[in-house]
Amino acid sequence: GIQVEQSPPDLILQEGANSTLRCNFSDSVNNLQWFHQNPWGQLINLFYIPSGTKQNGRLSATTVATERYSLLYISSSQTTDSGVYFCAVELVGGSEKLVFGKGTKLTVNP
Amino acid sequence: DAGVTQSPTHLIKTRGQHVTLRCSPISGHKSVSWYQQVLGQGPQFIFQYYEKEERGRGNFPDRFSARQFPNYSSELNVNALLLGDSALYLCASSWGRSRNSPLHFGNGTRLTVT
Repeated sequence: GIQVEQSPPDLILQEGANSTLRCNFSDSVNNLQWFHQNPWGQLINLFYIPSGTKQNGRLSATTVATERYSLLYISSSQTTDSGVYFCAVELVGGSEKLVFGKGTKLTVNP
Repeated sequence: DAGVTQSPTHLIKTRGQHVTLRCSPISGHKSVSWYQQVLGQGPQFIFQYYEKEERGRGNFPDRFSARQFPNYSSELNVNALLLGDSALYLCASSWGRSRNSPLHFGNGTRLTVT
């Protein structure tokens, strides 16, 4: 099946720092989404981005489908950005399921 | 507008029992999906329903079943519970089929099997 690899697995930042999270996938995909799971377990959709670039405030994401990767940029990080960031993809010709990576655990210290 | 709502929030069951988890999608959303998340891992797909029909099924045993009602709400049923079924069960809704629209998750039901 499709492999979704996220890096780094863990990231510790000081408040105000910038970071880049990466998602590599092994096959062509219809759909790619980024999620943030906060320390209380709530999973929030950040971006629906099968290709191209999108920005939302301090966050932006870029997907290069032909090269099978996506990047999530966090600028001027805040303590509320802490949590786990998941990339999830849907395989072309797949059964409409999203396959999640193992996530990047981000800790932002004050 | 209310987001995706799930009930109950927490549940403790004994091995061999049956459980029913409930989900109400965002108003106007016609697709509901169920995911299982065990500690330290990403969510794993169980089912997707669109317009009341099953559109996708993950690699879960037949003890897991689901359905979607005419008002687009959904139930996930698990029979003959095992200790390994302990997890966070997440429901997600989207306005269309998953490849066309972003997924929005509820807060989940934390199931503990003892």
